[in-house]
This record gives sequence, C-alpha cells and structure tokens, in this order.
Amino acid sequence: DVKVTQSSRYLVKRTGEKVFLECVQDMDHENMFWYRQDPGLGLRLIYFSYDVKMKEKGDIPEGYSVSREKKERFSLILESASTNQTSMYLCASSLFRTTGELFFGEGSRLTVL
Amino acid sequence: EDQVTQSPEALRLQEGESSSLNCSYTVSGLRGLFWYRQDPGKGPEFLFTLYSAGEEKEKERLKATLTKKESFLHITAPKPEDSATYLCAVQATDSWGKFQFGAGTQVVVTP
Repeated sequence: DVKVTQSSRYLVKRTGEKVFLECVQDMDHENMFWYRQDPGLGLRLIYFSYDVKMKEKGDIPEGYSVSREKKERFSLILESASTNQTSMYLCASSLFRTTGELFFGEGSRLTVL
Repeated sequence: EDQVTQSPEALRLQEGESSSLNCSYTVSGLRGLFWYRQDPGKGPEFLFTLYSAGEEKEKERLKATLTKKESFLHITAPKPEDSATYLCAVQATDSWGKFQFGAGTQVVVTP
C-alpha cells in the first residue's frame, strides 16, 4: 500500500514563527502536492512538484514556499505564520506526472495564535 | 477556468435509504474524474476514477457514473459506516497533473 506520512498531526504556533510541515511518500511517486482544507472552501492547492527541485504554484501560494530535495520528501514552509493560515494541511502524491489518482496523508492541523 | 460543484452540501439518510450525490464540472478537456471519501480528521481516501462518458465503477454499496457534464455517486442501502464526506475532483487534459476539487457532500447515515 502507498503510504504518505505527514510529520505532525497537530501544531500550535505563534504569529510570525517559521513553520515547517514535512511529508514523505514511500512509493516512488513523481508528483507531490500540498493542499489546505477549510470548511466550505474545500481543498485548495498551494504548491505542487513534478520532480526533484521542481515546483509549481497552485491556486493560493502566497505566504508559502516549498522544498523538494529528494523525490520522496516534499516540505511546506510558512516563512512567517499568520492567523489566517490556521487550517488543515494535506499532503498528497500521485504516481504519474500528468494523470492518476492522489494518495493523501492524514493531514496536519495547524493553529496559529 | 475549471470548476467543480457538488450537491447537496449535506445529506442525512436512514439506514437502507438509497440516494445519489451530484458532481457537475466545467473543464476544457477531461482527463479524469475522481471520487474520494473523507472521514473526520483524516485525509481523503481514493474511491474511483472515471475517464469517459458512460463509464461506471462500483465498490460495495457505492456506484459512480459519468456523463459529459456531471458525475453521480449512488449509495445503495447505506449503512452507518458509509457516513463521511464525499469529494469529487477533476483533472483537465492541460492540467499537468493538477486536480480541481469540489467542496464535498457530507453524508450522515442513521440507524
């Protein structure tokens, strides 16, 4: 079975702190994604990556950056956390570059105070 | 711009009461339509992929169908364990692997 592991299930941070969310997948998938999920808004794509060191902006990249130094690992970085970044963050991967279903991690619930 | 709209937002069913969820979409060219199930506090779990109009997929009490403009997820004789939020997502031919998600339908099945 494909496993996508997110390093933290729950985080509480203060405004202005730098936040790292880590995601690892174990099935050699090409694509990796970061979404945030908010009630009534559904899943919104922050960034995705189709290869090591490659990244593309999604629909809501402002205030976020990403890093993909190894194929299996995709990190989301909040340079200076703000209260409006309080959300559920979901990492996902897919096998092929242009098609295929997503496999999600369990999610990281971030609260920024 | 690609759009995905799911209805209803919420659905309350009695155990055994069959119903359908709708996912309507607007994309320039459809590469695939995906259904996911999400339990509270967890990540979405993949259910089905549909690629072309007329295609159907089944899994236990769930059946997904696809037309040129919408997809339906039919729940036949649901059980309480079918309670979850069901998400629909589309992948366009020019999307380079990106997905557009609907807001989901929250289904509650009572005994």
